[in-house]
Amino acid sequence: DAGVTQSPTHLIKTRGQQVTLRCSPKSGHDTVSWYQQALGQGPQFIFQYYEEEERQRGNFPDRFSGHQFPNYSSELNVNALLLGDSALYLCASSSSWGDQETQYFGPGTRLLVL
Amino acid sequence: AQSVTQLGSHVSVSEGALVLLRCNYSSSVPPYLFWYVQYPNQGLQLLLKYTSAATLVKGINGFEAEFKKSETSFHLTKPSAHMSDAAEYFCAVSDWNQGGKLIFGQGTELSVKP
Repeated sequence: DAGVTQSPTHLIKTRGQQVTLRCSPKSGHDTVSWYQQALGQGPQFIFQYYEEEERQRGNFPDRFSGHQFPNYSSELNVNALLLGDSALYLCASSSSWGDQETQYFGPGTRLLVL
Repeated sequence: AQSVTQLGSHVSVSEGALVLLRCNYSSSVPPYLFWYVQYPNQGLQLLLKYTSAATLVKGINGFEAEFKKSETSFHLTKPSAHMSDAAEYFCAVSDWNQGGKLIFGQGTELSVKP
């Protein structure tokens, strides 16, 4: 049973650039959530995707956008990168039936903005 | 609005000693509560969860937590610490009525001394 996978594992960008992070949910899951974890902090909710639409959004600017594909995988896009966007980006998946409330996390993508 | 407070950003115990990590929550509705563990340079792993069933919840690796509504607490315990328990621990609350996003505490780093 494959867990949540994310790619790439690490990424270095410069200010102003754009980045795309990818996530494949756990087998059988159809809902994907994205979180940002700054160094020494707890994860902060960015947004959640279900049925290819953004269902809920946290307090992040429009520079952060996402997409969900028919196979339930998801992308997180960040435009006009700022130094403060440097963080670990975590993807979590869950199911819309059964154990709906539990989210399972991937290993994360560590983004460094120079 | 929901929130989570973890008392103590750093806890140090000796191997074999009791582990107690504190978590208090604020929620206007019956909460779902979670403890996750994060090992260095990894994602989050679910330790245990409370979803309004038994108030004493048993998780993986010998951890357990007790939901106390009167104290709005969900402290994590383990009778005997092992060196492999050294990690960052996060308490989180979820309101499924609002889409299930997780709200995390700041985390507690657990150190285990030999």
